[in-house]
Amino acid sequence: AQKVTQAQTEISVVEKEDVTLDCVYETRDTTYYLFWYKQPPSGELVFLIRRNSFDEQNEISGRYSWNFQKSTSSFNFTITASQVVDSAVYFCALSEDSGGGADGLTFGKGTHLIIQP
Amino acid sequence: ETGVTQSPTHLIKTRGQQVTLRCSSQSGHNTVSWYQQALGQGPQFIFQYYREEENGRGNFPPRFSGLQFPNYSSELNVNALELDDSALYLCASTIWGGHTNTEAFFGQGTRLTVV
Repeated sequence: AQKVTQAQTEISVVEKEDVTLDCVYETRDTTYYLFWYKQPPSGELVFLIRRNSFDEQNEISGRYSWNFQKSTSSFNFTITASQVVDSAVYFCALSEDSGGGADGLTFGKGTHLIIQP
Repeated sequence: ETGVTQSPTHLIKTRGQQVTLRCSSQSGHNTVSWYQQALGQGPQFIFQYYREEENGRGNFPPRFSGLQFPNYSSELNVNALELDDSALYLCASTIWGGHTNTEAFFGQGTRLTVV
């Protein structure tokens, strides 16, 4: 069965510091997809990135970067020069390539990121 | 904003009652999924609807049921409400490709409280 572990329950840093959110996943499939979502206090999950299992290239988008390593089953997320607006709960999620039915996204428990001014 | 809208935003129900939550999907998306998010937890997959039929389900009992309409909007119905059903219910819209979904865009959620 698929599983996503976000071991960091809460992280607090001062603005402008870099911060890395860890994500470790488990799956038996060779084809799968990894995601990161941001959930501000308003509750809506905001899509950040989708990565398939065959693409191990790291990705950078502005201050955000993602490190995907199949060897360690990890998909870590780094925010560079953090800002107060980055404060939110961040979720890592996994979906498998199904044989016809949908299994949905399996989410981790989330990491609450607090950026202090 | 994603274009996925849910109603109502908040709801209070009594144990044993039934509730219907609604979701309109993003334009161009043909699939709707529902998730339950308990306080302090990650969302859990309830089910997915594609072409007005359920094509995937998580570990939820039959009293959780749904509908998808021709315009791709959807309803989540929960019968015989229990206190543990208190949660944020999130709707997500995607495009289903037969084996997997595109990235999911979520609505703002419905906060259900069962008393």
